[in-house]
Amino acid sequence: SQTIHQWPATLVQPVGSPLSLECTVEGTSNPNLYWYRQAAGRGLQLLFYSVGIGQISSEVPQNLSASRPQDRQFILSSKKLLLSDSGFYLCAWSQAGGIGQFFGPGTRLTVL
Amino acid sequence: AQSVTQLDSQVPVFEEAPVELRCNYSSSVSVYLFWYVQYPNQGLQLLLKYLSGSTLVKGINGFEAEFNKSQTSFHLRKPSVHISDTAEYFCAVSALSGSARQLTFGSGTQLTVLP
Repeated sequence: SQTIHQWPATLVQPVGSPLSLECTVEGTSNPNLYWYRQAAGRGLQLLFYSVGIGQISSEVPQNLSASRPQDRQFILSSKKLLLSDSGFYLCAWSQAGGIGQFFGPGTRLTVL
Repeated sequence: AQSVTQLDSQVPVFEEAPVELRCNYSSSVSVYLFWYVQYPNQGLQLLLKYLSGSTLVKGINGFEAEFNKSQTSFHLRKPSVHISDTAEYFCAVSALSGSARQLTFGSGTQLTVLP
């Protein structure tokens, strides 16, 4: 069966520091991968998605970037965090051409 | 483009009472519809989905939803809720956009089950 992992689970970072969140999927190959952000009391905002290694689509302009160095690895990064980057970050995957997405456990990021 | 509206941001209900969480969507193309549940500080778990066929869809934990094309709605129901159903519920639509099928989420409904 397929599983999706995210780490770290929680992170507290000062403003201006770099960020790297990692997501990995097991039990499938060539998945579509997604990064979402959920701000407090709000819905989910799609940040990036990827249909293959090195292929990244950005949905909103922002202080963040994403990379997919391996088939089942998706990384969310920032060079300098802003206070507004605080939130709950969720990684998700779907079968290529499939319907519906499956979510990881999330990372709670607090920028102070 | 697609959009999803969840009409109630908070729904308090007593234990063993029925509940309906409302969801309306708009889209210029055919869509697939989903309900997800999120417990505190956790990821989203798929409750149920409508792809085609019968408009009444049954999911996990005793939930069901009915797709109504004429009213562009996909309301979630449960005949008798438990304390453990307290969570945030998200309605979502899926349509092909660019090179991947994407989900558009509503803003969520916080269901609080009271003893």
